[in-house]
Amino acid sequence: DAKTTQPNSMESNEEEPVHLPCNHSTISGTDYIHWYRQLPSQGPEYVIHGLTSNVNNRMASLAIAEDRKSSTLILHRATLRDAAVYYCIGFSGGGADGLTFGKGTHLIIQP
Amino acid sequence: DVKVTQSSRYLVKRTGEKVFLECVQDMDHENMFWYRQDPGLGLRLIYFSYDVKMKEKGDIPEGYSVSREKKERFSLILESASTNQTSMYLCASKTGGANQPQHFGDGTRLSIL
Repeated sequence: DAKTTQPNSMESNEEEPVHLPCNHSTISGTDYIHWYRQLPSQGPEYVIHGLTSNVNNRMASLAIAEDRKSSTLILHRATLRDAAVYYCIGFSGGGADGLTFGKGTHLIIQP
Repeated sequence: DVKVTQSSRYLVKRTGEKVFLECVQDMDHENMFWYRQDPGLGLRLIYFSYDVKMKEKGDIPEGYSVSREKKERFSLILESASTNQTSMYLCASKTGGANQPQHFGDGTRLSIL
């Protein structure tokens, strides 16, 4: 898996957009970028993943730099329920490979 | 939505006991995983299974075994519980394809006294 670097923590206000950055300068051409989040006292939750193109789903958007060395997870309108630790992973695993999370970004949402 | 259900949220056992942690998924996923998560150590893979009755060791299998008799159920067994196995245990499942997301249960916080 590619090494990723994320800020330790970020703070945002409720109902505002949040941009969570991730650097993955050693990513290989076959590594997908996956994002998970973990709310307090819960298991990790899949958020989004992509390879080269920007991706959108009902939870978030993923913007991937053209050189693929960085990406940004975008929460369009943060709520208090989005307060969690967000993990970015560069992963090209086969079907049964385990995940390795780094320290992630602790997102704090202010009401 | 995918549902991965772990049998207990909190469990307290004694040293030397045999402990069973159960996990059930409802999406017919081929692959299932058991992890433990500890502060400062992150997520570590204990065992995974890619089919019924098939299992592979992860990074830290010592002291654990697993069982997968049915596709939807993956059990983690602590043969003789020890205090250093006090941890948060997480089960996950995914389809067989590469780069598909893993779906996690809410975890079992296990304390060994």
